Order: sequence, then C-alpha cells, then structure tokens
Amino acid sequence: GAGVSQSPSNKVTEKGKDVELRCDPISGHTALYWYRQSLGQGLEFLIYFQGNSAPDKSGLPSDRFSAERTGGSVSTLTIQRTQQEDSAVYLCASSFVAGGRGFTDTQYFGPGTRLTVL
Amino acid sequence: EDQVTQSPEALRLQEGESSSLNCSYTVSGLRGLFWYRQDPGKGPEFLFTLYSAGEEKEKERLKATLTKKESFLHITAPKPEDSATYLCAVRISNDYKLSFGAGTTVTVRA
Repeated sequence: GAGVSQSPSNKVTEKGKDVELRCDPISGHTALYWYRQSLGQGLEFLIYFQGNSAPDKSGLPSDRFSAERTGGSVSTLTIQRTQQEDSAVYLCASSFVAGGRGFTDTQYFGPGTRLTVL
Repeated sequence: EDQVTQSPEALRLQEGESSSLNCSYTVSGLRGLFWYRQDPGKGPEFLFTLYSAGEEKEKERLKATLTKKESFLHITAPKPEDSATYLCAVRISNDYKLSFGAGTTVTVRA
C-alpha cells in the first residue's frame, strides 16, 4: 500500500518568506508526527497529532512554527518569516495509534522535504 | 536527562566482515527501542522494535538485541547494499515521540 508522502520534496525560499510543507499519512493511521533533521543535530521531534488534535507541541522551536491537521488525515507544517537556521529536512511520520504496542506503535516515515532558506 | 548515544559514528566494513553497532540509553521508563535504516536523501525505514531486556529480533543479515542499558545491531556477512545510516530511537512511558541517537553510518566495500 501507499506509504507516507510529503510535498514538496525540495523547497528553496528567501529569508523572511513563509513556507508550507504537506504530509499525507498512511491511510487509517490516526497518529501523525513531524520531525526535523539538521546536519549536526540529528532527528528532533517537533509536534504530534492524535486525530486533529495536537497534544504535544513541545518541540516547535518558536512561534513562527505552526501545524494543523484536518479530517484526521493531511497535515500542514507552516513556517513564517523563515530564517537561515530553519534550513533542514522536515520529516513526517505516522502510526496506527499512539502509545500502542507492536505494529500499532511503529512510526513510518515519509521521504521528507528539504528546506533551504537563502 | 534522557539520552541516546550511538557508537561508532562511522563504520567501514569489507563485504562479509561481520560487526556490531551500539546504542546506549539513559532513560526512565523505556517503552520501546526502535532501529531504523536511512539511505541518503530518503526518510528512515523501520527495521525493528524491542520492548524488554533479553528480546531479540532478526531480519536477513541484521539482528537486534536489547539489555537494560543498551541495544546492539549485529550485521552478519554484510553486503554493499547494507551501506546506510542506522538510527536508534527510544520511546518512554507516557510519551509518544521518538528520541533519536545521532546514527552510525555503515559503508560496506565489495
């Protein structure tokens, strides 16, 4: 079946512009996660959704970052007034449920969006 | 502070030369330890989940084991297609996010 998809695959923007990154989770997965992968920083958690609600936004680096999820499916991560330090690969993952065990707990990742802020 | 440390950072192997990667963790209430493989320009690909000390999982040339303080990923008779970065992550009780180590980049030469 289809995996997690993300768009665009690459995004180049100028400092100060807003960007939107999209994630389509695996069909039927109720939990959705955003992570960021930077050189020298590894993979870091940003936000987690259960359905359309975001119980944990603790990883969002600043109030320039926001995310929403609609219809329990597609999610959009928005970065306002982008800065050069926002350059990274933004990864989305989904799991059948959150906090389960076994296959329900496994987070499957998309290919990522590479964001470059000039 | 919860921490996940992977070693070595990089590993160069000859085809057929078996080796092990280490993931040590200092977390309270481990809920699961996950291994992923990541190829350049791609997202992490799920390999294994381990839940309790003593547990082992195998897939082709890979075998993951778990103790109370660390996990090992053993690569037996590796092939060039096993070249990738291997990531270890943990999930703790009452939390849903994964905390990742920095990864081990494995290069297997023919």
